[in-house]
Amino acid sequence: DGGITQSPKYLFRKEGQNVTLSCEQNLNHDAMYWYRQDPGQGLRLIYYSQIVNDFQKGDIAEGYSVSREKKESFPLTVTSAQKNPTAFYLCASSTRSGKVYEQYFGPGTRLTVT
Amino acid sequence: SQQGEEDPQALSIQEGENATMNCSYKTSINNLQWYRQNSGRGLVHLILIRSNEREKHSGRLRVTLDTSKKSSSLLITASRAADTASYFCATDAKLTFGEGTQLTVNP
Repeated sequence: DGGITQSPKYLFRKEGQNVTLSCEQNLNHDAMYWYRQDPGQGLRLIYYSQIVNDFQKGDIAEGYSVSREKKESFPLTVTSAQKNPTAFYLCASSTRSGKVYEQYFGPGTRLTVT
Repeated sequence: SQQGEEDPQALSIQEGENATMNCSYKTSINNLQWYRQNSGRGLVHLILIRSNEREKHSGRLRVTLDTSKKSSSLLITASRAADTASYFCATDAKLTFGEGTQLTVNP
């Protein structure tokens, strides 16, 4: 089955700890994205990567870091510098065919930091 | 900058009625997309309309685009309880999302 997976579904951490969220896709997509969603809110772009070994900051990159060593994987690290890390995190991927950028989303990881 | 502002914020209708939600954006676009999100889940792509298109249909969905007004609308006809979800529009390659329209379809 082709798709995009995120793990774990729920994650609990103590304040001050870094935590890494996994995102894997087997759709052969070049581009991958990380979004944050707070309750009742829209999605805000954290980081995106259009090709392996390259990534750009989105609107709210502070306190987050990413890597793109493989086409299939785009892990997100929520560092202790992120002031309000509790949120729902969504990963997405897309092809880079012309101007069409339909995104395929993973099921999300709900992170709770106490 | 925020692209893709949906309106209304919330919409409650009866099963069988039509639901219309709107999206406004600020800069020139190449395409506009509508997505659906069930509570606590990822987003699912519904339909894409290109900047040179004015209307597009997919099943019970009808999307219009007015580039002169920088706005789009999504019409869901003959709504069902299963259509209850949040609906988002997005524009451009980075797909910045608005806050969505929460649609509730009452059986």
